Amino acid sequence: RKEVEQDPGPFNVPEGATVAFNCTYSNSASQSFFWYRQDCRKEPKLLMSVYSSGNEDGRFTAQLNRASQYISLLIRDSKLSDSATYLCVVMGGGYQKVTFGTGTKLQVIP
Amino acid sequence: EAGVTQFPSHSVIEKGQTVTLRCDPISGHDNLYWYRRVMGKEIKFLLHFVKESKQDESGMPNNRFLAERTGGTYSTLKVQPAELEDSGVYFCASSHATGLRFGSGTRLTVV
Repeated sequence: RKEVEQDPGPFNVPEGATVAFNCTYSNSASQSFFWYRQDCRKEPKLLMSVYSSGNEDGRFTAQLNRASQYISLLIRDSKLSDSATYLCVVMGGGYQKVTFGTGTKLQVIP
Repeated sequence: EAGVTQFPSHSVIEKGQTVTLRCDPISGHDNLYWYRRVMGKEIKFLLHFVKESKQDESGMPNNRFLAERTGGTYSTLKVQPAELEDSGVYFCASSHATGLRFGSGTRLTVV
């Protein structure tokens, strides 16, 4: 089993739709969780951190469920510019080990 | 603050040659990571430095890859001799407390 697992997609959604991605992780000692966005041929960019209490940034909402060991990302009112690969990143362990999910590809269609 | 910088941005070399990639992390970031993305595949971890020490190098594919971080500042990743399958984008990232900041990557093409 991979340490961090994501559905690779692609998710093809119309503009204005709501889309949700999940990511599961296997190491219960993981401490920090993030969603990154990666555009084609570019470096990953931090989208948002994920907290147990849930956090929201505009149209984006992230949630952590420690008991079930998954994190989620919800995008409301999808825009064409949201098309990208969304990477789940898990950090933890005594020396800040960082593990990436495979990424979920989102394509927003006009 | 200045971001993570990588040099060169692109490199095209012939099979069997040597290439050295450089990463300058954000000042003060003790953790420095190298990752690689091969065409069509996910980002793969290569290794992790804490200051000048290799904390985890389990992702290094073979002994043709050598990473250093002398003095705990910038890091280099040398590939010698390069093979065709080494082509991809090599990302460096650094972190201090939370989150990673990535450099824009070095696109390596081995022909």
